[in-house]
Amino acid sequence: QSVLTQPPSVSAAPGQKVTISCSGSSSNIGNNYVSWYQQFPGTAPKLLIYENNKRPSGIPDRFSGSKSGTSATLGITGLQTGDEADYYCITCDRSLNVWVFGGGTKVTVL
Amino acid sequence: EVQLVESGGGLVQPGGSLRLCCAASGFSFSNFWMHWVRQAPGKGLEWVANIEGDGRRMYYVDSVQGRFTISRDNAKNSLYLQMNSLTAEDTAIYYCAKDSNWSLDSWGQGTLVTVPS
Repeated sequence: QSVLTQPPSVSAAPGQKVTISCSGSSSNIGNNYVSWYQQFPGTAPKLLIYENNKRPSGIPDRFSGSKSGTSATLGITGLQTGDEADYYCITCDRSLNVWVFGGGTKVTVL
Repeated sequence: EVQLVESGGGLVQPGGSLRLCCAASGFSFSNFWMHWVRQAPGKGLEWVANIEGDGRRMYYVDSVQGRFTISRDNAKNSLYLQMNSLTAEDTAIYYCAKDSNWSLDSWGQGTLVTVPS
């Protein structure tokens, strides 16, 4: 049971948009930045979004992040078959000094 | 270019010990918090532990507290995870990751630890 709650899966047709939610609490998401990661099978996770809504260099602007209260959202627009992967949200629970993860969301391009 | 290379994984019997190593290069290692994150087969990511740049502070997930010890040698640009009293539930790929801007901006390729049940 993950501390942060994500939907197990989302899907959409190529070119469409998907959003992935990440729900937490006041002690984690409500009190710290959220980051998002993309993971393909058999490979290490890759940072997509940091500090709620910032993209590292090289990450296309099709990927976006937002946060409101104790929830965060990852958006992927112009969906491509190459976006099929697992996506995770992460934040730090500063009151417990532990990092907490979402359970991951599998994105399927129909 | 940041590079993180894990080693030390393998097959270990229940109750046994293993020491993982993560060799870092391409950045000023001592200036950054570092983390260990694991992923059980077919499961999601789980944060394990982290350590401050100077090694003074470290934190653990409850399930490994008292069994695992995170450490670092800044002179060798290396991060370690000493794992004792291993159980089948510790079977996972273990990744080291670099902390920056409250995120894990670089990851190693991972090393597999297998503890049979």
